[in-house]
Amino acid sequence: DAGVTQSPTHLIKTRGQHVTLRCSPISGHKSVSWYQQVLGQGPQFIFQYYEKEERGRGNFPDRFSARQFPNYSSELNVNALLLGDSALYLCASSLQWLPFEQYFGPGTRLTVT
Amino acid sequence: GIQVEQSPPDLILQEGANSTLRCNFSDSVNNLQWFHQNPWGQLINLFYIPSGTKQNGRLSATTVATERYSLLYISSSQTTDSGVYFCAVGSGGGADGLTFGKGTHLIIQP
Repeated sequence: DAGVTQSPTHLIKTRGQHVTLRCSPISGHKSVSWYQQVLGQGPQFIFQYYEKEERGRGNFPDRFSARQFPNYSSELNVNALLLGDSALYLCASSLQWLPFEQYFGPGTRLTVT
Repeated sequence: GIQVEQSPPDLILQEGANSTLRCNFSDSVNNLQWFHQNPWGQLINLFYIPSGTKQNGRLSATTVATERYSLLYISSSQTTDSGVYFCAVGSGGGADGLTFGKGTHLIIQP
């Protein structure tokens, strides 16, 4: 079975631009979460979605938004990019929302110049 | 929110050595996971262990929920064990997602 997939793998954007990252969960999983990992730190929680509804939100500005589609895939949008948004963005899927076990995708590495 | 502390932050060992990584957390949890992050950034699931003891080959883990800590044991280390090991915890309905520690950077030398 395929694991969690994310696209694109790498992305370079300019300050002020907008970016959309995409995630497909493991087949049968209904919950998707997004995390940001900056260099040298552990991942930090951004959003959790279950059955297309937002179930949790971390301490991130309103420039960050997400949604989940009927097929349970998800996209993360970031507006007005800042240099500090440069990071590895990880998507995780689980059968249901926490405390179920989370499985992570390979990530999208975003560089903002 | 929950605080997660991992120790040691860095560990350098010779191939064949054993190691113990520790994770302390500040509140009760209903999810605790150990991950190994490879050089390409992929987080690999090692254990889902909110309580009790589990073993998988050379790796084992124990979580003592009442004392708010978890231990990851690696025996007979191999160079492929090198990388960063993260402990992550969750509580309640998951509105705060998983909270990660800062990780233990393990280097296994041949």
